[in-house]
Amino acid sequence: NAGVTQTPKFQVLKTGQSMTLQCAQDMNHNSMYWYRQDPGMGLRLIYYSASEGTTDKGEVPNGYNVSRLNKREFSLRLESAAPSQTSVYFCASTFDSYGYTFGSGTRLTVV
Amino acid sequence: AQSVTQPDIHITVSEGASLELRCNYSYGATPYLFWYVQSPGQGLQLLLKYFSGDTLVQGIKGFEAEFKRSQSSFNLRKPSVHWSDAAEYFCAVGGITGNQFYFGTGTSLTVIP
Repeated sequence: NAGVTQTPKFQVLKTGQSMTLQCAQDMNHNSMYWYRQDPGMGLRLIYYSASEGTTDKGEVPNGYNVSRLNKREFSLRLESAAPSQTSVYFCASTFDSYGYTFGSGTRLTVV
Repeated sequence: AQSVTQPDIHITVSEGASLELRCNYSYGATPYLFWYVQSPGQGLQLLLKYFSGDTLVQGIKGFEAEFKRSQSSFNLRKPSVHWSDAAEYFCAVGGITGNQFYFGTGTSLTVIP
C-alpha cells in the first residue's frame, strides 16, 4: 500500500548544483504531477504528465525539467539550483479527475 | 481568470467548538470540488470530494462540506473540533482542464485546549 513514493525526503544543495527528485506510484495512475509548496502561496503546479510519454508545463516551470520514465515514474530535475527554489516539493498522481494521491514531500533547501 | 479562494489564512477555535472553513471558486461550469488536509511535515490527505448529486457530502474524520452553486462555494464544516484537527486545509477544484487541479492558498487551523 505504498501509494506515491518520493525520494529523497530532505536535501540541501548549494547554488548551482543539480539534482533529481524521484517519484513513483504503484496505483496504475495515468497522470502524474509535480507541485511546489511555499508559505502563503498554496500549491503551484510545476509540470505534469497526463499520460505516459507526455509532459506539459504548469504554472511555474522555469528552472525545472521533468521526465516521465514510464507509467510509474515521474522525475523532476533542477539543473542549476537557485535559492528561490527552496521549497517543499510534492508529487501527486491520479487515474482521472477524481482526486489526487500525494506523496509525503521533499523538503529542499538551496544555500 | 480561474481561481480558488480561501479567504481565511488562519483560524483559531476551541476544542469542542464548531468549525467552518470557507472556499469559493470562479469557473464557468461546476467543477469537481475537494478538500485536503495537511498535517505538519506531511503530504496532503483527501478529506472529501464533490462531483454531482447531493450537495452535502460527508468525508473522513467527521468532516462535511456543502456545495452551493449560487454562491460558488464549497465550505468545510465540523460540528465539534478535536485537538488533532489542527492542520492546514486546502480547497481544490478539478475537472476543468484535463486532469489538472487548482488549489487555494490554504487555511491554517489552530485548536485551543
